[in-house]
Amino acid sequence: KAGVTQTPRYLIKTRGQQVTLSCSPISGHRSVSWYQQTPGQGLQFLFEYFSETQRNKGNFPGRFSGRQFSNSRSEMNVSTLELGDSALYLCASSLAEREGLHFGNGTRLTVT
Amino acid sequence: AQSVTQLGSHVSVSEGALVLLRCNYSSSVPPYLFWYVQYPNQGLQLLLKYTSAATLVKGINGFEAEFKKSETSFHLTKPSAHMSDAAEYFCAVAKGGYGNKLVFGAGTILRVKS
Repeated sequence: KAGVTQTPRYLIKTRGQQVTLSCSPISGHRSVSWYQQTPGQGLQFLFEYFSETQRNKGNFPGRFSGRQFSNSRSEMNVSTLELGDSALYLCASSLAEREGLHFGNGTRLTVT
Repeated sequence: AQSVTQLGSHVSVSEGALVLLRCNYSSSVPPYLFWYVQYPNQGLQLLLKYTSAATLVKGINGFEAEFKKSETSFHLTKPSAHMSDAAEYFCAVAKGGYGNKLVFGAGTILRVKS
């Protein structure tokens, strides 16, 4: 069974631009979560989608948004990029909350 | 609110020695607890999980962890370290029944010396 796939693996953007990251979950998984990983703040929860509905949301500004499609694939968007948005963005899918999360290899975003 | 404290940002052991990575949690309700491992330039891989069944949990690659409610701890152990265990390890807590919003500890980098 294929794992969680994130595209692209690397992105370089300029301050003020916007970016869209994509995530394809493991087949059959309806929950998709997004996390931001930085050296200073560690792993922080962004949001979780389940059956196209946002189920949980972290403490990030409104510039960070996401959505989930009917095939469970998910995208997250960051608008008006800031230097501090440089991070590894990890997507994870889950069959059920008791099962834990299955992570992709992430998208490394660099904002210059 | 849930929180996790991992004691020791870096742990160094010799190959063949016991691995002990410490994790203490705070939760207002019975928690779900997880340990993940991350190798360089990769995502996180689930090692093991506690979801209110057996308190001693066995995971992959010979790792295990024991849930101790009285000590609010969930320490990760492995009897004999291997060079391939060198990585960063994260403990995480979730509030049972509230989806997959995990709160992660700051991580512990494990170094294995030959």
